[in-house]
Amino acid sequence: ETGVTQSPTHLIKTRGQQVTLRCSSQSGHNTVSWYQQALGQGPQFIFQYYREEENGRGNFPPRFSGLQFPNYSSELNVNALELDDSALYLCASSASFGGRSPSGANVLTFGAGSRLTVL
Amino acid sequence: ILNVEQSPQSLHVQEGDSTNFTCSFPSSNFYALHWYRWETAKSPEALFVMTLNGDEKKKGRISATLNTKEGYSYLYIKGSQPEDSATYLCALNYGGSQGNLIFGKGTKLSVKP
Repeated sequence: ETGVTQSPTHLIKTRGQQVTLRCSSQSGHNTVSWYQQALGQGPQFIFQYYREEENGRGNFPPRFSGLQFPNYSSELNVNALELDDSALYLCASSASFGGRSPSGANVLTFGAGSRLTVL
Repeated sequence: ILNVEQSPQSLHVQEGDSTNFTCSFPSSNFYALHWYRWETAKSPEALFVMTLNGDEKKKGRISATLNTKEGYSYLYIKGSQPEDSATYLCALNYGGSQGNLIFGKGTKLSVKP
């Protein structure tokens, strides 16, 4: 059973550029969530994808967008990068029905993250 | 705004000490509380998921309790070992997307040999 893998592990971009981060979900998982962890903060929910559609979103602007592919892998795209976008981006996968869990108790399996630095 | 508070922010203990830390949250209408263990340069690893008032979970030397009425959860580590050094994150699901967890800032534990 493979875990969640993310790429790249580190990258540096300049303000105004665009970035794409990638995530392969754990075998058997159909739902992917993305989180942003800024320095000194806990991870913050960006959005979730289920069946190739976004079905939940946190307080992030539209320049944060995503995709989920038929094999359940996912991408996070950020346009018009700002300095405050510098953070660790975590991907997590889970198995769910309808992208929801009646008890909210489904365990998330996280990747090790992609660290983005915006200069 | 839902806020999950964890205390202390950091903790330094000697090998063999037992320790505990706290996760506090608004007590109403949450679905589940999750604890994760996050070692530096690795992935956060799920420890426990709890849903019911009075829940107690145990995994080896680590255990957790949940009090939903007063809005807190405790994580206990008995006989800390250097390999327990990590950041321990608490997160709550208040419904909606199952991946929508609200995390605290974590408690960073350092265990000295």
